[in-house]
Formats: sequence, C-alpha cells, structure tokens
Amino acid sequence: LAKTTQPISMDSYEGQEVNITCSHNNIATNDYITWYQQFPSQGPRFIIQGYKTKVTNEVASLFIPADRKSSTLSLPRVSLSDTAVYYCLVGGAKGYSTLTFGKGTMLLVSP
Amino acid sequence: DVKVTQSSRYLVKRTGEKVFLECVQDMDHENMFWYRQDPGLGLRLIYFSYDVKMKEKGDIPEGYSVSREKKERFSLILESASTNQTSMYLCASSVTGLNQPQHFGDGTRLSIL
Repeated sequence: LAKTTQPISMDSYEGQEVNITCSHNNIATNDYITWYQQFPSQGPRFIIQGYKTKVTNEVASLFIPADRKSSTLSLPRVSLSDTAVYYCLVGGAKGYSTLTFGKGTMLLVSP
Repeated sequence: DVKVTQSSRYLVKRTGEKVFLECVQDMDHENMFWYRQDPGLGLRLIYFSYDVKMKEKGDIPEGYSVSREKKERFSLILESASTNQTSMYLCASSVTGLNQPQHFGDGTRLSIL
C-alpha cells in the first residue's frame, strides 16, 4: 500500500499562499494522487488530482516531482473559508483496496 | 451535482444490536464505498462495491458486511455492534475507473453504548 504522510496541522493568515505536502514513498507506477477538502460536519470534497508534474484548476495547484514520492497542494491567497482538513489520497492502480488516505492536515486560516 | 445521501446524521445503538447504515446516490455511479473516520486515523476503507451484488473488502472489514441489491443503494451492516465501532461513517460513490474522484455523503455519526 502507498502509505501517505501529511503534517497534522498548519497555520496561515488570510491572503497568504499555503503549501501542504504529502509523502508517499512507495507509490505504484499507475497510482494517481488526489486531494480532498473537508469542513466540519461534511463529507470530503474533491479538490484536484494529478499523475505527474503540475496540475492547476480554479481553486488549487498540485505539484508532483519526477520521482512522484511526494506531492504538494498549493492554495493561493487563502481566506478564512479555507479553514478545513485536507486529505491526500494515493493508489487505486492495483485495485480499490489499495486506495490510501492520509490522516489529514488541519489548516487554520486566521485574519 | 452528484448527491450522496446517508439515511441518518446521528445514530445511537446498543452493544450487540444489528445496525444498518444506508446510502443512496443519484448519479448512476458504478462504484460505492464505505469508510470510517476516527480522530488521528483519517479515513479508512471498510468495503467497496463496483457493481450490483459485487463487493470487495477494504482495509478494515472485520465486524462489518455490506449489501448492494440496487445500483443506487449501498448498505453497511454491523452484525453485532460493539463499542469500538463508535465512529463517523462516510459513504462515497464514483464512476467506473480506479482514479475517478469520489463524491461523499455528509456522514453518519454512530454511537454504540
């Protein structure tokens, strides 16, 4: 299984860029990396997904180095509403049972 | 938008009871998943289903079973509830494909007394 490791928590201020890194040393060749956001009392919500290099959408960017042993979720100019838990999910190439969520990073954005 | 609906937000049951958690999705997704979420442990996959009547074990299937008689509905069953099954349970669905984004319900917080 592609075990994943994320920081437990991070603090930031409004308007700053936040980078959250997930380590996945034994990622399989065909595994994708997916990030989710979760607010209290809600289920996780898909943010972004990538396989290699860089992916960008309207809310975030995902940076994946060539060796794919880690990935970084980048949130530009965070606001108070970005306070949430962020999970990285790696796996699936060898079946759904290999999907592994990280334990999540609690991001607190302050004024 | 995809909607995944879990039948109860909060549920309190007693040790030894048989407990059913229900999940319904409205987007004709082939895949459905059950996770439990515990503080410090993140999300752990219990079971998933890739088609009607098809299921596979996830990381922590012990003490649980599942049923998928219709495409839109996926049930998680605790055969004989125990206190260590007190947790938040999350259901998700996705289209076919190992890397397709999952759509989650808002969870059922289950307490076993």
